[in-house]
Amino acid sequence: NAGVTQTPKFRILKIGQSMTLQCTQDMNHNYMYWYRQDPGMGLKLIYYSVGAGITDKGEVPNGYNVSRSTTEDFPLRLELAAPSQTSVYFCASSPGGTPKRETQYFGPGTRLLVL
Amino acid sequence: GENVEQHPSTLSVQEGDSAVIKCTYSDSASNYFPWYKQELGKGPQLIIDIRSNVGEKKDQRIAVTLNKTAKHFSLHITETQPEDSAVYFCAAPGNTPLVFGKGTRLSVIA
Repeated sequence: NAGVTQTPKFRILKIGQSMTLQCTQDMNHNYMYWYRQDPGMGLKLIYYSVGAGITDKGEVPNGYNVSRSTTEDFPLRLELAAPSQTSVYFCASSPGGTPKRETQYFGPGTRLLVL
Repeated sequence: GENVEQHPSTLSVQEGDSAVIKCTYSDSASNYFPWYKQELGKGPQLIIDIRSNVGEKKDQRIAVTLNKTAKHFSLHITETQPEDSAVYFCAAPGNTPLVFGKGTRLSVIA
């Protein structure tokens, strides 16, 4: 199993550009998550999904959009990129049996720089 | 919603010494407390977790203790080694599945 994979690893965007961060998991997990990690600020949840076709906002959803058309994929869309979106983005998944009491498996992250 | 505070933000210890990281939480209904380790350039990885029906859990050199009355839990690493150097995050359930602390950067000095 590859686990959780993310692409790209690193990207530079100009202000106002758009991009999609890709996330795929091969563990047949129901739950998937997107976090951003800013220096000294821990992990902030952007969006999460409890299954195909269902998404929910996290703590910091503004400026982002997600979709979940399959169990495996959970892309994160940035529209009109802003410098405040410079961060490291992590995708994670969990089985979804008891999501508040189970392990989340993280991908390697995407480093995004908006200039 | 849940609020998780983590201290200290940085911690340096000599190799072989012990390290302790503490977290407090606000929601008395929280019942699951994991700890994640993040090595440089990688995503976080679960190292140990504890549920509210126990007060302590050990796994080799790491242990977690939980005080539900005081609403705090701690990570203990004994006989620290250079490979323990990383950022450690605590977490607790909130309105969303998990709320993470801000992290502790542990440096083990050889």
